[in-house]
Amino acid sequence: KNEVEQSPQNLTAQEGEFITINCSYSVGISALHWLQQHPGGGIVSLFMLSSGKKKHGRLIATINIQEKHSSLHITASHPRDSAVYICAVRLRGGSNYKLTFGKGTLLTVNP
Amino acid sequence: KAGVTQTPRYLIKTRGQQVTLSCSPISGHRSVSWYQQTPGQGLQFLFEYFSETQRNKGNFPGRFSGRQFSNSRSEMNVSTLELGDSALYLCASSLGPTGDETQYFGPGTRLLVL
Repeated sequence: KNEVEQSPQNLTAQEGEFITINCSYSVGISALHWLQQHPGGGIVSLFMLSSGKKKHGRLIATINIQEKHSSLHITASHPRDSAVYICAVRLRGGSNYKLTFGKGTLLTVNP
Repeated sequence: KAGVTQTPRYLIKTRGQQVTLSCSPISGHRSVSWYQQTPGQGLQFLFEYFSETQRNKGNFPGRFSGRQFSNSRSEMNVSTLELGDSALYLCASSLGPTGDETQYFGPGTRLLVL
């Protein structure tokens, strides 16, 4: 079983819809990252969370450490939001730093 | 400030050859991490360097190696290439060593092994 599970794998929405992408993990973590990857490969770091909630523009990320779950929300979605969204966790403990990634959620927003 | 740069952007090699990829981090960033991305396995951690020292290594064979120079630039090397090494190789830089910091990704090097 993958340590990081994302759902859904694929998501198609109409412009303006509210989007939610979920990430669950099975181990203790010290931080969770949400990444965005557009076609062609470039990856942008959207959020890094260790607790609570963060907001940037139309994007909101939340994390529940007790339930080992995080969500990424996009309000008023737009075709330019079409991308793969990837959740990654840093395992807790020691000086080891290793990001473990989910398989990603492919989001397509139609005009 | 210039972003993370990777060279070359595209590379075609044949089985058995070796390859060296280069990554220049954002100025002032001292931590560089390398990742492999394939359609089947997704993103996987290769290794991480801070101040010229390899701090962590992922579950890859010894054919994969890397180093970091005093100016924080990093190289990774893959020897005796196999078809399965075809992938997008990404590097990312961050300010410090904690790992709990925003990572800035380069555009990647797309390697095709024939």
